[in-house]
Amino acid sequence: GAVVSQHPSRVICKSGTSVKIECRSLDFQATTMFWYRQFPKQSLMLMATSNEGSKATYEQGVEKDKFLINHASLTLSTLTVTSAHPEDSSFYICSAPRQGVNSPLHFGNGTRLTVT
Amino acid sequence: ILNVEQSPQSLHVQEGDSTNFTCSFPSSNFYALHWYRWETAKSPEALFVMTLNGDEKKKGRISATLNTKEGYSYLYIKGSQPEDSATYLCASVSDAGKSTFGDGTTLTVKP
Repeated sequence: GAVVSQHPSRVICKSGTSVKIECRSLDFQATTMFWYRQFPKQSLMLMATSNEGSKATYEQGVEKDKFLINHASLTLSTLTVTSAHPEDSSFYICSAPRQGVNSPLHFGNGTRLTVT
Repeated sequence: ILNVEQSPQSLHVQEGDSTNFTCSFPSSNFYALHWYRWETAKSPEALFVMTLNGDEKKKGRISATLNTKEGYSYLYIKGSQPEDSATYLCASVSDAGKSTFGDGTTLTVKP
């Protein structure tokens, strides 16, 4: 069964609104979670590394004020897309290593965001 | 090689055919190579974790090899079945734990 749960799976919002995506580890504690974004026919691009109890680390080119990440507990990380615009429409997927930061990742099912 | 590259982008084979894909990655700052299978409407699932040059891993009809000196890994599927249809992703993992993914190879196995 799934070990990482991501909600919602699909969301449509209007331009200018904010959208929150939740990622939960179900049967393990995740001190680190990774947020990825995928554009059509492209690879998973790392946006940021979410660290429990501390600030997230953002990849170059990713606006931290636009993509707010909160990792307040060992089982929950959230990504909030603030003031969404149509160009933010994409597939967002979270993941977490189960045994140490270099172990393979367990992924959520992803969130398809459409901004109209 | 600066990025993780996978080829081919897509592959259509008949049931029973054997097939293989390639993953190329930068040799510098390499810690591990992970292979994932991503089926439609599901989340990616890890297939193999490979770390040492010359590593060979096998799971049923699927196997993988690793060459860290030249920066490539091969994934082999013997006797493909329709249930093998999926996108196969490889990811190069740095010593800091960051995974850089290739674009994937989408395999379609026709019955």
